[in-house]
Amino acid sequence: QKEVEQNSGPLSVPEGAIASLNCTYSDRGSQSFFWYRQYSGKSPELIMFIYSNGDKEDGRFTAQLNKASQYVSLLIRDSQPSDSATYLCAVPQNSGGGADGLTFGKGTHLIIQP
Amino acid sequence: DVKVTQSSRYLVKRTGEKVFLECVQDMDHENMFWYRQDPGLGLRLIYFSYDVKMKEKGDIPEGYSVSREKKERFSLILESASTNQTSMYLCASGRFSGNTIYFGEGSWLTVV
Repeated sequence: QKEVEQNSGPLSVPEGAIASLNCTYSDRGSQSFFWYRQYSGKSPELIMFIYSNGDKEDGRFTAQLNKASQYVSLLIRDSQPSDSATYLCAVPQNSGGGADGLTFGKGTHLIIQP
Repeated sequence: DVKVTQSSRYLVKRTGEKVFLECVQDMDHENMFWYRQDPGLGLRLIYFSYDVKMKEKGDIPEGYSVSREKKERFSLILESASTNQTSMYLCASGRFSGNTIYFGEGSWLTVV
């Protein structure tokens, strides 16, 4: 059974600062990693995914992957109150890819303080 | 944009009732999934399907069944609802060749 671990938080960050969210995973064979954002009472929405070691940037979001240490991070620059949400990290159920869906961490609750 | 539609957003059912949750996607995705989400337990996979009439058990299939008669439609069935099935149910879809999945808006089910 794959495991994806996240600190549940809440993580409190002042507006305008960098929010750093971390995730560790158990399966060394995992090849791709996903970050979803979930507002209270809403469904998860995909923010970004990363396949390769290093950084991937998309607007104010940067995903960082370190396969040797089995962790993936999400950085949010210039944090806004609208970024307050729960952030879910996920890996494919099947390391080889395909149809089996994603295994999710329980999420980190992020609060951006105005 | 990907559109995954769950027709029933809020339901209240009695113990022992049969419950149908419907999900339709408009992106011609091969894969479809049903998850449930509970506080402290996170998202857990109930069933998934990678083709019409195909179904595979996820991590918590007990008490549930599914039906996929058409590619765009995936139904979750609770044969005899119980109070421990009170939850938020999320349908998702994705391409067979990729891992990205897209969620519907969710169905909140309360069993009394």
